[in-house]
Amino acid sequence: GAVVSQHPSRVICKSGTSVKIECRSLDFQATTMFWYRQFPKKSLMLMATSNEGSKATYEQGVEKDKFLINHASLTLSTLTVTSAHPEDSSFYICSARRGGSYNSPLHFGNGTRLTVT
Amino acid sequence: DAKTTQPNSMESNEEEPVHLPCNHSTISGTDYIHWYRQLPSQGPEYVIHGLTSNVNNRMASLAIAEDRKSSTLILHRATLRDAAVYYCILTPKSQGNLIFGKGTKLSVKP
Repeated sequence: GAVVSQHPSRVICKSGTSVKIECRSLDFQATTMFWYRQFPKKSLMLMATSNEGSKATYEQGVEKDKFLINHASLTLSTLTVTSAHPEDSSFYICSARRGGSYNSPLHFGNGTRLTVT
Repeated sequence: DAKTTQPNSMESNEEEPVHLPCNHSTISGTDYIHWYRQLPSQGPEYVIHGLTSNVNNRMASLAIAEDRKSSTLILHRATLRDAAVYYCILTPKSQGNLIFGKGTKLSVKP
């Protein structure tokens, strides 16, 4: 069964509003979670690394004030798309590693499809 | 980041074996080779990983070349549900995240 749960699976919002996406590790603690974005027919692009109890690390070109990440507990990370615009419409996917080793597999959520109208 | 090269697409017939190649000529000694797949409108799913030796699990087999500069994911009997984009990814010791390339889109014909 799923070990990483993402919610909502689909959201439509109006331009200028904010949307929060939740990512939960279901049966393990994750000090680090990763957020990806995927445009249609493209590969996944890493947006940021979410660190429990500290600030997220953003990839180059990703606006930290636009994509707010909060990792307040060992099982929950949230991504808030602030003041969303149509170009933010995308498939957002989170992931977490169950084991502590760098070679342990990443578990992915089923993604959130965001449509900004 | 260590790079991998995969064919853009491959086709297979149902119930036949599929060999998905991946080249990674710049792999370093501590890089693991991971394979994930992504079904349409879903998040990626872990398939298999290895370092030097060939690996088998319930989903697939991973054959790693002796010089580690290439590897092959083997699906022993393709089913229609195996139609997905397959990603070959190197995971360096210093890096916890995964950097995805373009992957191989596998189509399975009935």
